[in-house]
Amino acid sequence: DGGITQSPKYLFRKEGQNVTLSCEQNLNHDAMYWYRQDPGQGLRLIYYSQIVNDFQKGDIAEGYSVSREKKESFPLTVTSAQKNPTAFYLCASRRDAGTGADTQYFGPGTRLTVL
Amino acid sequence: KQEVTQIPAALSVPEGENLVLNCSFTDSAIYNLQWFRQDPGKGLTSLLLIQSSQREQTSGRLNASLDKSSGRSTLYIAASQPGDSATYLCAVRLIPGNQFYFGTGTSLTVIP
Repeated sequence: DGGITQSPKYLFRKEGQNVTLSCEQNLNHDAMYWYRQDPGQGLRLIYYSQIVNDFQKGDIAEGYSVSREKKESFPLTVTSAQKNPTAFYLCASRRDAGTGADTQYFGPGTRLTVL
Repeated sequence: KQEVTQIPAALSVPEGENLVLNCSFTDSAIYNLQWFRQDPGKGLTSLLLIQSSQREQTSGRLNASLDKSSGRSTLYIAASQPGDSATYLCAVRLIPGNQFYFGTGTSLTVIP
């Protein structure tokens, strides 16, 4: 069953803690993305990666970090430097070439709450 | 920077009505435009993708049009059903680049 999985579904963080959100895809997609969604706002890009071991900052990368050691995995770490991390986080992937390369496929999301 | 706007922010219609959702963008140098559906607390599901060279795309009761020169796209939903109730978002991909810019969405409620 192909798709994108995100875990956990809900995550609670205490002040000053780093937390890592998982994103895995078995679609053999090259590109992967992390977005943040706040109520009443559209999705904003945090980081994206076109290939393994390479990633680019999006519009709101401050306080976040990522890694892309494997094609199928793109974890996002929310560091203590992110002052307002409570949000819904969405991971997406896209095949970078060939037919259907432009369509983004999204995971189910992780809702992060700071206590 | 690309700005993507969706109007209205919310829309409520009776079942069976045809409706149009609007998406506008400020930079017409786009590679493509994509329409998504999002159910509450869920991820996004792709509905239609229009390449910059295309004028429209159709899938079932959905039809999306693109007027790149005026920076507008519309999503037409025919014979709306309660199951169509969701938030609809549009996103554009600029030339050059691999980033996608999303609108704030239109929350649609179809009343039985």
